[in-house]
Amino acid sequence: NAGVTQTPKFQVLKTGQSMTLQCAQDMNHEYMSWYRQDPGMGLRLIHYSVGAGITDQGEVPNGYNVSRSTTEDFPLRLLSAAPSQTSVYFCASCSPTGGIYGYTFGSGTRLTVV
Amino acid sequence: SQQGEEDPQALSIQEGENATMNCSYKTSINNLQWYRQNSGRGLVHLILIRSNEREKHSGRLRVTLDTSKKSSSLLITASRAADTASYFCATDKGAQKLVFGQGTRLTINP
Repeated sequence: NAGVTQTPKFQVLKTGQSMTLQCAQDMNHEYMSWYRQDPGMGLRLIHYSVGAGITDQGEVPNGYNVSRSTTEDFPLRLLSAAPSQTSVYFCASCSPTGGIYGYTFGSGTRLTVV
Repeated sequence: SQQGEEDPQALSIQEGENATMNCSYKTSINNLQWYRQNSGRGLVHLILIRSNEREKHSGRLRVTLDTSKKSSSLLITASRAADTASYFCATDKGAQKLVFGQGTRLTINP
């Protein structure tokens, strides 16, 4: 199993550009989430999904959109990139059956907005 | 705002010593989880403790949870150089929406 795969690993955007960060998992997990991690800080929840067709906002959703058309994929769209969105983005997935195994995280996308 | 606050922010010990990290949180939880993050990598799940549990072990890891004090601790025994990493607690209030602390940066000196 590949686990959680994020692409790209690195990206530089100009202010105002849009892009999509891809996330795919092959573990048939119902729950998926997007987090951002800023230097010296923990992770903050952007958006999450409890199943295909269901998404909801987390702590810092502004400037981001998500959709969940399949169980496997959970892309994160930046609508109009701003320097404040420079961060490392992590996608994670989890089984809802008690969540006893915790979340499985991808290796991250390091985004720089100039 | 972040639910968990971890203490200390940084910890440096000698290989073979024990390392203890603490986590405090503000509201009631379903469970509390600990994760490890090596530099430049994603997070790896270490252990989960439910709100009705007080202590849990996994290999060299021991986690305690005190819901009356809204606090948890992670003990790593007989530390190794490979344990050098950042450690995060995360609280789950339901629907697997994890809220992370700022982390403890642990350095194991040979």
